[in-house]
Amino acid sequence: GQQLNQSPQSMFIQEGEDVSMNCTSSSIFNTWLWYKQDPGEGPVLLIALYKAGELTSNGRLTAQFGITRKDSFLNISASIPSDVGIYFCAGQLSGQAGTALIFGKGTTLSVSS
Amino acid sequence: DTGVSQNPRHKITKRGQNVTFRCDPISEHNRLYWYRQTLGQGPEFLTYFQNEAQLEKSRLLSDRFSAERPKGSFSTLEIQRTEQGDSAMYLCASSQTGTDTQYFGPGTRLTVL
Repeated sequence: GQQLNQSPQSMFIQEGEDVSMNCTSSSIFNTWLWYKQDPGEGPVLLIALYKAGELTSNGRLTAQFGITRKDSFLNISASIPSDVGIYFCAGQLSGQAGTALIFGKGTTLSVSS
Repeated sequence: DTGVSQNPRHKITKRGQNVTFRCDPISEHNRLYWYRQTLGQGPEFLTYFQNEAQLEKSRLLSDRFSAERPKGSFSTLEIQRTEQGDSAMYLCASSQTGTDTQYFGPGTRLTVL
């Protein structure tokens, strides 16, 4: 099925460092979302973006909806050990009818203390 | 307000057996989605309900798969004559009309021996 291009695939960082990951698509989306998934659990919503150019923060997390509507990035500042996990971007063509999310393959984040 | 719940969390079955999973969405959410996730991949869309109506099905949903949402609240996903390739995490998400922001449950991990 269709998937987004998410990079990097994995990151190994020291506690306290900042992290940046991004997603690109050949398709335009109306909504971009970022989720975090721990092993054996479902994805947990971190940030939802609804407008091109929108920049939204959630604590140490900041995400932006690209102005072309084909990309998004997520930054994590001052990483801590509990940031470990897999981060997924997802695009959605939202409208009157519900629509499926299209996911990237994920960025696996490892944080050493 | 409770989140999305799924039961069982884990299911081990032998090839050829039938299995059924249940999803209880967030109470005021009228939309319900099923996704499947295999190792190293992002979730992939299977099917979607608005209230009790099943409005969209992915080509991934073979004839052996059936989903219902009889009263517009909880949903069930049944897999008949399971195959080893059905082994995956089955995720349910719910949302409401408007933003259609999807919140996921913890998933059901299916292992077919």
